[in-house]
Amino acid sequence: GAGVSQSPSNKVTEKGKDVELRCDPISGHTALYWYRQSLGQGLEFLIYFQGNSAPDKSGLPSDRFSAERTGGSVSTLTIQRTQQEDSAVYLCASSHGQVPNQPQHFGDGTRLSIL
Amino acid sequence: GQQLNQSPQSMFIQEGEDVSMNCTSSSIFNTWLWYKQDPGEGPVLLIALYKAGELTSNGRLTAQFGITRKDSFLNISASIPSDVGIYFCAGLNGAYGQNFVFGPGTRLSVLP
Repeated sequence: GAGVSQSPSNKVTEKGKDVELRCDPISGHTALYWYRQSLGQGLEFLIYFQGNSAPDKSGLPSDRFSAERTGGSVSTLTIQRTQQEDSAVYLCASSHGQVPNQPQHFGDGTRLSIL
Repeated sequence: GQQLNQSPQSMFIQEGEDVSMNCTSSSIFNTWLWYKQDPGEGPVLLIALYKAGELTSNGRLTAQFGITRKDSFLNISASIPSDVGIYFCAGLNGAYGQNFVFGPGTRLSVLP
């Protein structure tokens, strides 16, 4: 498709389980971002990938969170040993990282619920 | 770190009224963006501003990049029910996207 695609759209899991969230950015976009959005709140930056450079992981809230971007395209965000406070919408965005000052385009997010 | 402030935090208006919201920062940004988020969806880009003083329109929406490069406003004219949502401003301070900052959002409700 033409936009950013995220899967699954919804995920319900038990506390303590690991989850993987997937993001397919817009074709040709070298920059990819993950954000977390709690109910009714703003966007909390998690991690930023730009091409083959080392990612900016400064927003990851704990070592239970990790993300990969294989081949400079698809990204997975992994949360290990999930906790109830991890419940949120996880949004992915991409931008044309090779052209300056380009806006981000968002997917519709994965709504994660930890029971 | 860099932060953006948005005001108002929330607003309730009557259908047909004009709306004005703004975004301020203590830091300078090279680019200002305005997004709208509908329930259950990701933010969608409304307007992008690239030059200080720039005034840009998109239908009933008008946004301006402040002269000081530390603020921006968004106006919506003749509001309609589908304008309901959360409006986020974002500032970009690095040429290639590494310094993206989002505001906390303004929640708009439109009463029929």
